[in-house]
Amino acid sequence: GESVGLHLPTLSVQEGDNSIINCAYSNSASDYFIWYKQESGKGPQFIIDIRSNMDKRQGQRVTVLLNKTVKHLSLQIAATQPGDSAVYFCAEKEDQAGTALIFGKGTTLSVSS
Amino acid sequence: DGGITQSPKYLFRKEGQNVTLSCEQNLNHDAMYWYRQDPGQGLRLIYYSQIVNDFQKGDIAEGYSVSREKKESFPLTVTSAQKNPTAFYLCASRNVRGRSGNTIYFGEGSWLTVV
Repeated sequence: GESVGLHLPTLSVQEGDNSIINCAYSNSASDYFIWYKQESGKGPQFIIDIRSNMDKRQGQRVTVLLNKTVKHLSLQIAATQPGDSAVYFCAEKEDQAGTALIFGKGTTLSVSS
Repeated sequence: DGGITQSPKYLFRKEGQNVTLSCEQNLNHDAMYWYRQDPGQGLRLIYYSQIVNDFQKGDIAEGYSVSREKKESFPLTVTSAQKNPTAFYLCASRNVRGRSGNTIYFGEGSWLTVV
């Protein structure tokens, strides 16, 4: 069954606002998490990842926060731009050979000018 | 350019036919994956392969088959036993070694429609 999910299927923001996309996971054994961005009709693109020994990781305009106590993951996008409009997926994985990423359903981010 | 190439981009299948989706990668990745995505849904794992000549079923393997005769190739056959094959199919690969060993990279996908 699916072990990763997102709190909201859609999120609408204004250009320039900060966006926060949330994700809950249920597998306590998961120790690696990734955020992907998928534009319409294309394959998912890697955005940022985080291991379970960290609680925060920053990239360019993006920050991922991990709260292992409540099994919650979030993606923060600073100064959201129209080009950020896409579906965002979180995925989890156990750090052992032979396991695959498990994906949630995704959150559709719509950015209006 | 290095990457994952899926073909064809669009494919139409008549009911009762088998079709094969191609996936080739020149990233020298050991592991390869096939996911299925239905409209508005997340990705579900069909099959994956950690090494050549070996593969494992994912969550929704029924009606599908794969082979892994070469490291760079992982074709997916959608058989007539798959009752609802219309979907977007995504191939992915992963370098199991190195600092990015857990990151999975995706191809651009193949749309399969049953007519």
